[in-house]
Formats: sequence, structure tokens, C-alpha cells
Amino acid sequence: KAGVTQTPRYLIKTRGQQVTLSCSPISGHRSVSWYQQTPGQGLQFLFEYFSETQRNKGNFPGRFSGRQFSNSRSEMNVSTLELGDSALYLCASSLGTELRGYTFGSGTRLTVV
Amino acid sequence: AQSVTQLDSHVSVSEGTPVLLRCNYSSSYSPSLFWYVQHPNKGLQLLLKYTSAATLVKGINGFEAEFKKSETSFHLTKPSAHMSDAAEYFCVVSDRRGTNAGKSTFGDGTTLTVKP
Repeated sequence: KAGVTQTPRYLIKTRGQQVTLSCSPISGHRSVSWYQQTPGQGLQFLFEYFSETQRNKGNFPGRFSGRQFSNSRSEMNVSTLELGDSALYLCASSLGTELRGYTFGSGTRLTVV
Repeated sequence: AQSVTQLDSHVSVSEGTPVLLRCNYSSSYSPSLFWYVQHPNKGLQLLLKYTSAATLVKGINGFEAEFKKSETSFHLTKPSAHMSDAAEYFCVVSDRRGTNAGKSTFGDGTTLTVKP
């Protein structure tokens, strides 16, 4: 079966711009979580969506937002980009409980210049 | 509250020798525990998981981990390292009940280097 698909794979944006990243989970998975990974901060949890509702949220400013559609696909948006937002953004899907573990996508590498 | 500590940020072994990556956890309830591997510029791949069945868990690529409640540990081992094992490894804890139920906490990661 198809894995978790993240698009685009690479992105270069300018400070102040906004960006939208997309994640298509494994078919049948209803939970989508987003993570930011940087060399300095490691893997940090952004938010999780389940059945179109945000279920959990990490400690990120309001510039980071997300949503989930009825087909479980999810998008995350970052507005007013800062240099520090440069990171690998990972999406992970699961059936709805983390007890079975996540399936991760390959990530979107965002570079802010 | 839940937390996880990976005791070594870097581990270096020679090809063919055993691998030990250490992980200690804290959980208010019986936790689920996971190990993930991440190769450069890739997403994370689930290696193995403990969810209250057998305490010795076997995963992919010859890895296994043992859940030791008395030591609050979940160390990852492999009898013989291969060059392709070089990657970053993450230990993850998830409470099955309580206020943190459904949330996962990732360790800071251990970078494994395999020397020829």
C-alpha cells in the first residue's frame, strides 16, 4: 500500500512569505501529526489532527497552523516566515492511536532565505 | 507525565560488533515504547514497538529491545552491526492512559556510526 506522501520535497522561501505543506496519510489512517526537525532543537511536535479536529498541539507560535480534510489529507501553513523556520517538516499518520506507532513521510525540507 | 532520555548522543561501533543504544523512560502509566530509525534526509521508520505483550521485542533488520519495568529502560540491541545501520535512532514513549494519553514524546536521538 502507498506510504505517507509529503509534497513538496524541497522548498525555498523568502523571509516574510507564507508556505503551505501537504501530507497524504496512508489509506485508512485518520490521525496526522506534524513535526519540525532541526539540528539544534531536534524533533519537535507541532500538532496532531484526528477526523478533521486538532487533537493535540505543541508549543509553537500561532504562525504555525494546520488543518485536516474529510479524506484525512492534511496541510500545515506557516505565515510570516523567519530564518529559524528552516527545517525538515515531517508528517506522520496512524490509525488514530499511537499505540501501534506512526508511519512517517520523507518530509519537506524548507529553507528560508 | 512522560519523558524519555537517550543516554548517548553518539555511539560508534565497528562492523560486525554488537550495538547497544540506551533509552530510559518515565511514565505515570503503563507505557507503549517505540524505536524509530532515520537515515539522512529521510523520514523516520518504525523499528519495533512494545505494547504490553512480550517484554523482549523483535524488530526489523535484526534489532530487538527489552522492556525492563524495574529499570525503566528500553534499550535497543543488535548482535552484529552492518554498515547500513549507520543512522539516527529515536526512542519514543506514549502513555496509554491519563492526561497524556495519545501523546508521544521523542528522545533527542542517538547517532550510530559504523566503522568498516
